[in-house]
Amino acid sequence: QLVLTQSPSASASLGASVNLTCTLSSGHSSYAIAWHQQQPEKGPRFLMKVNTDGSHSKGDGIPDRFSGSSSGAERYLTISSLQSEDEADYYCQTWGTAINWVFGGGTKLTVL
Amino acid sequence: EVQLVESGGGLVQPGRSLRLSCAASGFTFDDYAMHWVRQAPGKGLEWVSGITWNSGITGYADSVKGRFTISRDNAKNSLYLQMNSLRPEDTALYYCAKGGAGSGYYYGHFDFWGQGTLVTVSS
Repeated sequence: QLVLTQSPSASASLGASVNLTCTLSSGHSSYAIAWHQQQPEKGPRFLMKVNTDGSHSKGDGIPDRFSGSSSGAERYLTISSLQSEDEADYYCQTWGTAINWVFGGGTKLTVL
Repeated sequence: EVQLVESGGGLVQPGRSLRLSCAASGFTFDDYAMHWVRQAPGKGLEWVSGITWNSGITGYADSVKGRFTISRDNAKNSLYLQMNSLRPEDTALYYCAKGGAGSGYYYGHFDFWGQGTLVTVSS
């Protein structure tokens, strides 16, 4: 059974950078993932898809401050030059014929 | 501009039915798979159901299999979720999401989301 693990919370200062991690469970390190942002009281917004080789493709209008990377079973979302509007919940997602669609538990990002 | 607008939510008693709708615009609707995802109050995202562009494949989470039915009307650019035998644990914000994998694909990420419609199951 594929599980995506995310830290429940993270924090960083305004203008700083932060890395959020999504870890694929053992035996599933070949899966691509997607990152979604959910600001308070809003629907999710697609940020990017991150492939196993670390390449990523972003959604419409996603600023260059957002980037993705990959290492083994870990997939990363890096947000640089943090702004107040980046305070949100961040979810990773993966998919496949044997698993349908799976979401991580989400990371609540606080901008200090 | 892609827009997904859900409707049909509300307060319903356990055991009753509800039908959700999602009106899509801004893209070629009949080229893409579509999905329903829900979020219980204070909780994370849970995939509920998906459907291919031509309704040839439908899929359901185990938690709703046998009770929920997904469908679409490409002529109306609309997605639906018929929810029967509702339970209190079905209480959630239900989101419509567009498949992002490209024309004709079923599996892939979601690249656009609606704002959700709230379903509350309570006596």
